[in-house]
Amino acid sequence: GAVVSQHPSWVICKSGTSVKIECRSLDFQATTMFWYRQFPKQSLMLMATSNEGSKATYEQGVEKDKFLINHASLTLSTLTVTSAHPEDSSFYICSARGRLAGGTYNEQFFGPGTRLTVL
Amino acid sequence: EDQVTQSPEALRLQEGESSSLNCSYTVSGLRGLFWYRQDPGKGPEFLFTLYSAGEEKEKERLKATLTKKESFLHITAPKPEDSATYLCAVQAAGSARQLTFGSGTQLTVLP
Repeated sequence: GAVVSQHPSWVICKSGTSVKIECRSLDFQATTMFWYRQFPKQSLMLMATSNEGSKATYEQGVEKDKFLINHASLTLSTLTVTSAHPEDSSFYICSARGRLAGGTYNEQFFGPGTRLTVL
Repeated sequence: EDQVTQSPEALRLQEGESSSLNCSYTVSGLRGLFWYRQDPGKGPEFLFTLYSAGEEKEKERLKATLTKKESFLHITAPKPEDSATYLCAVQAAGSARQLTFGSGTQLTVLP
């Protein structure tokens, strides 16, 4: 199966600091990666979509200067939360889509998530 | 605008009590409908993709079906380990091919 990893799994930081979250596709090449945010008891909210080697496309209401996304290679995407504040505390989940052996191109696989707490 | 509505919001079953979860959708050209399982504090785990009305897929105690307006996730003789939130998502035909998620059904299976 397709495996997507995230690091770190949780992070606590002080207000005003920046936090970087890594997302890796371990056994397939992810031509497209997605970043989601999930609040307790709510569903996933798409923040941005990125294709390898190009700029990310942000959803309406998501500040691109605050949430920096870099899709540097076919297996790595990073999300940097700049100048984090308590309201940025949330569960951040990445997802990757790419061609799998024996599969179609449409399946989207999710990482385990990163719990960010900003004090 | 694509919309996905899941019902019920929460479902409590006794072990062995079969039931179905519903996912109703409106989308401008369905490319695919996806079912995921999410455990607390974890990312969604892929279960099924359905592409056309009449299609069915099975995995252990789960079976997903699709019509032109809705999808059902049937759970046969559930076990406590099936307890999780089940998410449905649709992918519309188009260049972005992003997923639109429903709010999920929280399933609790009691021993």
